[in-house]
Amino acid sequence: QSVLTQPPSVSGAPGQRVTISCTGSSSNIGAGYDVHWYQQFPGTAPKLLIYGNNNRPSGVPDRFSGSKSGTSASLAITGLQAGDEADYFCQSYGGSLSGNWVFGGGTKLTVL
Amino acid sequence: QVQLQESGPGLVKPSETLSLTCTVSGGSISPNFWSWLRQPAGKGLEWIGRVYSSGSTNYNPSLKSRVTMSVDTSKNQFSLNLTSVTAADTAVYYCVRGPRSSSGWFDPWGQGALVTVSS
Repeated sequence: QSVLTQPPSVSGAPGQRVTISCTGSSSNIGAGYDVHWYQQFPGTAPKLLIYGNNNRPSGVPDRFSGSKSGTSASLAITGLQAGDEADYFCQSYGGSLSGNWVFGGGTKLTVL
Repeated sequence: QVQLQESGPGLVKPSETLSLTCTVSGGSISPNFWSWLRQPAGKGLEWIGRVYSSGSTNYNPSLKSRVTMSVDTSKNQFSLNLTSVTAADTAVYYCVRGPRSSSGWFDPWGQGALVTVSS
């Protein structure tokens, strides 16, 4: 049971826009801690995709964007491409009582 | 560009100690925070703990009684020891840089090391 909740799967056709939600609580996301997103292809390590809620590391296309509001965050992918098919994880801090960095359970993106 | 590489046994017997080392290349291990995370097959990510280049540590409370991390700045390496392992500790273990603060992130990541706990 992950501290942050993500849908197990989302799908979309090439060119479409999809969003992946990440729901936390008043102890973590709602307490003001930043949310970060990672992309993971099968058999490889996760890669930082979005940091600080809505910032893209160098080399990440602007088709990827993040947002945060209240106790939730979202990752949006526009102009969906076959190469975007991967697992996506959100991450934040569990709060001062937990002393833990926490992740969502991951969302499998399928490009139809 | 900083790169990380995990090394260590791929098979550990139940009740024994899992030991992994991460070698940092392309940059100095100091001053910085370094973490270990793990991912069981088909499952999500779990933060195990963090070590600063000075040697100070933070551990996941759920694993704290079994985890020890250390740094060897002369070799640009940091290490993980996990004692009394069971099959539930079977996972891919990643070494990563960060996080620098409570709102911090993990980047970059090592390629991962599969550790299987089995007799």
